[in-house]
Amino acid sequence: DAGITQSPRYKITETGRQVTLMCHQTWSHSYMFWYRQDLGHGLRLIYYSAAADITDKGEVPDGYVVSRSKTENFPLTLESATRSQTSVYFCASRAGQALYNEQFFGPGTRLTVL
Amino acid sequence: KNQVEQSPQSLIILEGKNCTLQCNYTVSPFSNLRWYKQDTGRGPVSLTIMTFSENTKSNGRYTATLDADTKQSSLHITASQLSDSASYICVVNTDKLIFGTGTRLQVFP
Repeated sequence: DAGITQSPRYKITETGRQVTLMCHQTWSHSYMFWYRQDLGHGLRLIYYSAAADITDKGEVPDGYVVSRSKTENFPLTLESATRSQTSVYFCASRAGQALYNEQFFGPGTRLTVL
Repeated sequence: KNQVEQSPQSLIILEGKNCTLQCNYTVSPFSNLRWYKQDTGRGPVSLTIMTFSENTKSNGRYTATLDADTKQSSLHITASQLSDSASYICVVNTDKLIFGTGTRLQVFP
């Protein structure tokens, strides 16, 4: 299906485990983003990527790692999950650099760290 | 500090009624402002985008206004429907996106 997808949609893990959240988009958008959404906070940017093999930190990058070997995929890895990383994670993509261009969001992954 | 504040935090209305959601921002420089609708369990979806020179923009029953002088925006929903139940997020674009915390709207029959 066309669009932006995330997997898994729900994940429960334990403190200290490594977790990878997947994001895939079919539009060939150059820009991709990872956000987390917590109660009382607006969406906060974790990492973003302007193109394959180009990534940069956002507002809250600590404890997360990203890679982008292919334009369509942008996985987010929690190397050693902590309870504070319990959140809903959204991936988004945007065509090009222009800030006027819309960011399209995936359906989200709800992650619980026990 | 760049901030986007939305009010009210939550709102309950009856189906068919109108409502207005508010967004105040202290963001500089300003590029544009978007309103997103986020259904429960889904990602945000853009409703409207407004640039500095635009005062009003409509998308069906949704009308957004922007006052760049007072740094305020509003989203007016006309003749609400049950499907309007969602969170509405105001996002201001500077050199990055600044997200508000959203207004949770519940529409009851």
